[in-house]
Amino acid sequence: AQTVTQSQPEMSVQEAETVTLSCTYDTSESDYYLFWYKQPPSRQMILVIRQEAYKQQNATENRFSVNFQKAAKSFSLKISDSQLGDAAMYFCAGGSQGNLIFGKGTKLSVKP
Amino acid sequence: EAGVVQSPRYKIIEKKQPVAFWCNPISGHNTLYWYLQNLGQGPELLIRYENEEAVDDSQLPKDRFSAERLKGVDSTLKIQPAELGDSAVYLCASSLEARSEQFFGPGTRLTVL
Repeated sequence: AQTVTQSQPEMSVQEAETVTLSCTYDTSESDYYLFWYKQPPSRQMILVIRQEAYKQQNATENRFSVNFQKAAKSFSLKISDSQLGDAAMYFCAGGSQGNLIFGKGTKLSVKP
Repeated sequence: EAGVVQSPRYKIIEKKQPVAFWCNPISGHNTLYWYLQNLGQGPELLIRYENEEAVDDSQLPKDRFSAERLKGVDSTLKIQPAELGDSAVYLCASSLEARSEQFFGPGTRLTVL
């Protein structure tokens, strides 16, 4: 069985600062992939970034980057130069055959 | 490109009543998902379709929930009869194939009184 754990129910960051959201996962699959999704208060889930387990290089999308530590089963999301629009619920998710397992989410607040 | 469309956005019903949710995926997306999201939780998969075929419905409470995806495009999720504990947001998502990024609809917030 796969599990995804987000240990930070809430996080806060000052505008323009950097924040890191934590995620750990457990799977017996060798071929899997990991995502970070953002869900603003309007509720529509938006993909932030994707990481394939076989790739050594950490994925980056503009201000968003991941720190993928395969041996430690860690998949953290770093948001640089935080903006007010980054405030949302962030969900870590993992999958191998199409079915994603989501964590419970981290609520990120951005202070002006 | 139009995103995943869901309707209705909100639904309030009395317990024991039936309810149905509709989803139109992104054009060309073969895989369609229905998720249940309780307040303060991440989405949980109910059923996954590959074209018309339900390839994983292990988490679908089949005594009261049913789903269909006719012609491999639109999908309907039904609850009959609804219970108080069914109050939640029902999300639909689609992807090109099983391993691709999933694109989510806005969801339907169901309240059962």
